[in-house]
Amino acid sequence: GAVVSQHPSWVICKSGTSVKIECRSLDFQATTMFWYRQFPKQSLMLMATSNEGSKATYEQGVEKDKFLINHASLTLSTLTVTSAHPEDSSFYICSAPSLAGKSSYNEQFFGPGTRLTVL
Amino acid sequence: AQKITQTQPGMFVQEKEAVTLDCTYDTSDQSYGLFWYKQPSSGEMIFLIYQGSYDEQNATEGRYSLNFQKARKSANLVISASQLGDSAMYFCAMSLGNSGYSTLTFGKGTMLLVSP
Repeated sequence: GAVVSQHPSWVICKSGTSVKIECRSLDFQATTMFWYRQFPKQSLMLMATSNEGSKATYEQGVEKDKFLINHASLTLSTLTVTSAHPEDSSFYICSAPSLAGKSSYNEQFFGPGTRLTVL
Repeated sequence: AQKITQTQPGMFVQEKEAVTLDCTYDTSDQSYGLFWYKQPSSGEMIFLIYQGSYDEQNATEGRYSLNFQKARKSANLVISASQLGDSAMYFCAMSLGNSGYSTLTFGKGTMLLVSP
């Protein structure tokens, strides 16, 4: 299968600071990556689609100026939470599609997630 | 817009028994994919099984099988011979088209607890 990593796995920051989360495809190239947010005991909600070489596509209700996405290369996408507030505390997960899965379709491979706590 | 509904917030099953987790979906598209993921307390999303809308046979992966009833728009996950390690949150998800480049829409999830 394909491996997606995220860094950091957890981060605690003060309110008003910015936090950068990295998502890397380790053994395959990903022109597209997805960023999800998951609040405690809730489902995953798509935040944005990250596209290599072009602007990210944000879902309705997600502030693009607050959640900056940069798809710097075919293996790296970053999510920066700017001026973080306690309500941004959540579990952030990225995924990338690859044909390296068991099935013949482009299976999405998920990173291990980043737990953000804003004090 | 597509929608996934999981009506069971929680399920209990005894070890070695089979359990069915319900999932219904709504879409007007003819081409779509249905997925089940397992999320243990660590948070990682573990892919379990996939069913394409044009697949005539129900998907199976080891102890996991997907009971696909297209007319009813249901894609229930059946776990046979439950193990203690199966205790986790389970999410049903859908993507449109048959490419993973389409975004995934998730249901609210079902928490499965397997008891000894």
